[in-house]
Amino acid sequence: DIQLTQSPSFLSASVGDRVTITCRASQGINNYLAWYQEKPGKAPKLLIYTASTLQSGVPSRFSGSGSGAEFTLTISSLQPEDFATYYCQQLNSYPVSFGGGTKVEIK
Amino acid sequence: EVQLVESGGGLVQPGGSLRLSCAASGFSFSDYWMSWVRQAPGKGPEWVANINLNGGEQYYVDSVRGRFTISRDNAKKSLYLQMNSLRAEDTAVYSCARVVFRGFDPWGQGTLVTVSS
Repeated sequence: DIQLTQSPSFLSASVGDRVTITCRASQGINNYLAWYQEKPGKAPKLLIYTASTLQSGVPSRFSGSGSGAEFTLTISSLQPEDFATYYCQQLNSYPVSFGGGTKVEIK
Repeated sequence: EVQLVESGGGLVQPGGSLRLSCAASGFSFSDYWMSWVRQAPGKGPEWVANINLNGGEQYYVDSVRGRFTISRDNAKKSLYLQMNSLRAEDTAVYSCARVVFRGFDPWGQGTLVTVSS
């Protein structure tokens, strides 16, 4: 089974900051990595798939990069609506797995 | 608007059974793989099961294989999860999700399953 390790698990940042979240897989996953944003009481929202493809309707301040087993989600300029928990997910092989999450809070 | 609405959750005793449903609307249901995902209270998502277009292929996380069954009815645009031999550790909000381009989008709001005596 493929394990995903996200870091940091908690991040305190200010509006306008550049934020980077890392997701490391226990083995290569052929870039079949997705990123989600989850807000309290709401369903997770797909932000990025296949490591770097922005889902339709997602603001361009979100970007994904990486390859092999190490990936990053970057928010270029943090907005008030971006304070949430972010999860990575691998869909290269079963069982599908998620990272432990990164909670982004207001500094 | 693409929408997924789950139902069927509730309180069940350990060892009991429950059948969850997911009603899809706003898209061609039969053209998409579908998935069930769960989130225990205060935890991150855990993938539970996937099903292919015609229901002929199913995939499960090890912890539910042999106890849970995913199925679909394309005519009714509905996804199901039959859960048997339920355990306390199955307590979670269960959500259905459409599988798109190597991601899940959208997710339903979920239905709460509580396994407790």
